[in-house]
Amino acid sequence: DSGVTQTPKHLITATGQRVTLRCSPRSGDLSVYWYQQSLDQGLQFLIQYYNGEERAKGNILERFSAQQFPDLHSELNLSSLELGDSALYFCASSHDSNYGYTFGSGTRLTVV
Amino acid sequence: GQQVMQIPQYQHVQEGEDFTTYCNSSTTLSNIQWYKQRPGGHPVFLIQLVKSGEVKKQKRLTFQFGEAKKNSSLHITATQTTDVGTYFCAGRERGGTYKYIFGTGTRLKVLA
Repeated sequence: DSGVTQTPKHLITATGQRVTLRCSPRSGDLSVYWYQQSLDQGLQFLIQYYNGEERAKGNILERFSAQQFPDLHSELNLSSLELGDSALYFCASSHDSNYGYTFGSGTRLTVV
Repeated sequence: GQQVMQIPQYQHVQEGEDFTTYCNSSTTLSNIQWYKQRPGGHPVFLIQLVKSGEVKKQKRLTFQFGEAKKNSSLHITATQTTDVGTYFCAGRERGGTYKYIFGTGTRLKVLA
């Protein structure tokens, strides 16, 4: 157990639907990062939050949004889902940007 | 934007052989991190390099940061089957950005 909790572990949904992925960071970590990993692909940075505020944005689609709550957990919302959104979505946390990331076990999203 | 490439994309080695993966950034980095992702798993932080020319060792793994802070390498001596996985570098761009851009990864297979 890495200390970063992601739920759900698996999600199957239809095109056009909306889903919410949840992440609880490791205790004491203020930063949360979201990454997308498609089959046999690298890790694409989506967005970072630090202590409740958005700090950096990557190639995140307009259909995707995220937030970090006062208790530091984060949610990634994916809407108007397309087949191409099928991927593994990782959340990671760190104390700040000078420390290595601790990744959760990911949410595998399948859009059918 | 910042791009981080790794070569080779795949590498098959016989157990006991050495392995090296190279990481190249399109921009100068403030620091670089290395991660290992086992098949079906999540990335696990290995190490962070900060100084120009820095070399760090972890048992059979040797990490190097280039003098210009635009490239890095990971060398594994006498590979073992437990080394199987994908190795990612992740670079943080110099100049105040907070996100790490992950490299394309090198998938290592070790044949017993």
